[in-house]
Amino acid sequence: DAGITQSPRYKITETGRQVTLMCHQTWSHSYMFWYRQDLGHGLRLIYYSAAADITDKGEVPDGYVVSRSKTENFPLTLESATRSQTSVYFCASSDERRELGEKLFFGSGTQLSVL
Amino acid sequence: AQSVSQHNHHVILSEAASLELGCNYSYGGTVNLFWYVQYPGQHLQLLLKYFSGDPLVKGIKGFEAEFIKSKFSFNLRKPSVQWSDTAEYFCAVTSGNTGKLIFGQGTTLQVKP
Repeated sequence: DAGITQSPRYKITETGRQVTLMCHQTWSHSYMFWYRQDLGHGLRLIYYSAAADITDKGEVPDGYVVSRSKTENFPLTLESATRSQTSVYFCASSDERRELGEKLFFGSGTQLSVL
Repeated sequence: AQSVSQHNHHVILSEAASLELGCNYSYGGTVNLFWYVQYPGQHLQLLLKYFSGDPLVKGIKGFEAEFIKSKFSFNLRKPSVQWSDTAEYFCAVTSGNTGKLIFGQGTTLQVKP
């Protein structure tokens, strides 16, 4: 299916485990983003990527790792999950810098609970 | 560091009241500014944007925003709100040089019929 898809939709894990959230987009957009959404904090940028093999830290990168070996995929890994990482995670993509923000497409989100 | 601050976390209005939501950003260079709305259970939807030119921008659903460069502000306004405007509103900014898109904390607007 065309669009931006995240998997899984829901995930429960335990403290200390490694978890990978997947994000796949079919438009070949250059820019991809990972946000977490928490009550009172809005959307906070974790990492973003301007192209394949180019990633950069956002506002709250600690405890997270990303990779972008292919343009269409942008997985987010929690190396050792903590309870503070319980959140809803959104992946987003956008095509060109001049349209960044104007044409921004979000995935459906992954609700992660760390017990 | 680039950041966005929304002062009002929760606003309650009656229908037909006027709305103004504050947004301030910190970044010294060229910025692009946005307001998004998120209705319950839905994705973010772009309300309006400012890239350059007229600092007063009009968006969808009767919303407008004014970019005041000297105040680093981009406040959202609507003259008369409706019950259907009940949603969460996010201000966002990208800098001219990076691909970093930063959101504010969000403002929950509740409009009472």
